[in-house]
Amino acid sequence: DGGITQSPKYLFRKEGQNVTLSCEQNLNHDAMYWYRQDPGQGLRLIYYSQIVNDFQKGDIAEGYSVSREKKESFPLTVTSAQKNPTAFYLCASSMGSSGSYNEQFFGPGTRLTVL
Amino acid sequence: GENVEQHPSTLSVQEGDSAVIKCTYSDSASNYFPWYKQELGKRPQLIIDIRSNVGEKKDQRIAVTLNKTAKHFSLHITETQPEDSAVYFCAASDSWGKFQFGAGTQVVVTP
Repeated sequence: DGGITQSPKYLFRKEGQNVTLSCEQNLNHDAMYWYRQDPGQGLRLIYYSQIVNDFQKGDIAEGYSVSREKKESFPLTVTSAQKNPTAFYLCASSMGSSGSYNEQFFGPGTRLTVL
Repeated sequence: GENVEQHPSTLSVQEGDSAVIKCTYSDSASNYFPWYKQELGKRPQLIIDIRSNVGEKKDQRIAVTLNKTAKHFSLHITETQPEDSAVYFCAASDSWGKFQFGAGTQVVVTP
């Protein structure tokens, strides 16, 4: 688990601001993911990427954007269009290869609070 | 798309008893089914997983069973201990690497 990091641990945002959450992995994993977790709920997929320079929308992509310019990095931007962004955000990676996806390793998470 | 349902949402067991959590999935293309344990404020940790070509897998006190025909899989924890108290999530993944998680089960093991 030490191979995937997220920063910052806590983030406070004013309404109307965009913020970017960092996710880095040194596991040489192809696939990376962003999830949102709300109290008492499971993990909901925001975006995922199976390869550099390519990503797909998950179930709740509206108001979020991502980029995958490097294999080890998958930053998530929470835009002002996201109406209720206060949540715990988890990044994950997996070795990934078409037809055989493996264990996801999770980062420690970023708790975002909108003031 | 895939939809994963998980039951129960909360489970209280006496120490030493068994706990069973059940999940169903909708996409017959799903072929990988992990279970994660998440303690309060921490990241989810994989505890066991199973692939679609296997019906059952065991690791000490934890076992997972998969019924592909019925599209359901279950987590079994035997001889529960207080440190098993946590939230448990099931998930299903297809060949494209898209994971869908269940809503979670809060397990409380009372001494």
